Amino acid sequence: DQQVKQNSPSLSVQEGRISILNCDYTNSMFDYFLWYKKYPAEGPTFLISISSIKDKNEDGRFTVFLNKSAKHLSLHIVPSQPGDSAVYFCAATPRGSNYKLTFGKGTLLTVNP
Amino acid sequence: DAGVIQSPRHEVTEMGQEVTLRCKPISGHNSLFWYRQTMMRGLELLIYFNNNVPIDDSGMPEDRFSAKMPNASFSTLKIQPSEPRDSAVYFCASSLADRDTEAFFGQGTRLTVV
Repeated sequence: DQQVKQNSPSLSVQEGRISILNCDYTNSMFDYFLWYKKYPAEGPTFLISISSIKDKNEDGRFTVFLNKSAKHLSLHIVPSQPGDSAVYFCAATPRGSNYKLTFGKGTLLTVNP
Repeated sequence: DAGVIQSPRHEVTEMGQEVTLRCKPISGHNSLFWYRQTMMRGLELLIYFNNNVPIDDSGMPEDRFSAKMPNASFSTLKIQPSEPRDSAVYFCASSLADRDTEAFFGQGTRLTVV
């Protein structure tokens, strides 16, 4: 039973355009959400997060949007760069157990020059 | 800082053998995690230590798996006996306890059990 779902295994965009990666969750106890990025042969690295009390968080080219009623979050990358090509994991933690990350299976983003 | 250091990077072993994976967390971090990544199940938390004490081992799949953290700078994950279905990439991660969600991951150990 996957509690965090990334339904698109891959996404391809042109350099300079917007990349939108989507994530859905089922557990209503989740109250903190994160995106991690992973390059081949490396471990995941933290990218950006959002608390359930917010609906948007921005950090440079990266913006995460949270729609609690739809149990949906998305990561926007504008403008996309070839160096952004990586696997992006959505993750969530429940109230009271902020160490307990539940990850989606990831979306491979390819940014073409 | 060198980041989280895992060894070995790759391990190939025969079914039934004991396997030990090693991790050195970032100095000053007091939380340590072991994760497993497989195609079928993705990234799963196996065990969480805080200040060297195991807090949550509910993700450890079977009694064949054990983890220790004898001090703040070293942890091991042991599989005995190993089975082909244990083949996966195992990640160690560390964090500051008040920022547990923003964990720093090592490069992982790719384990193949034949």
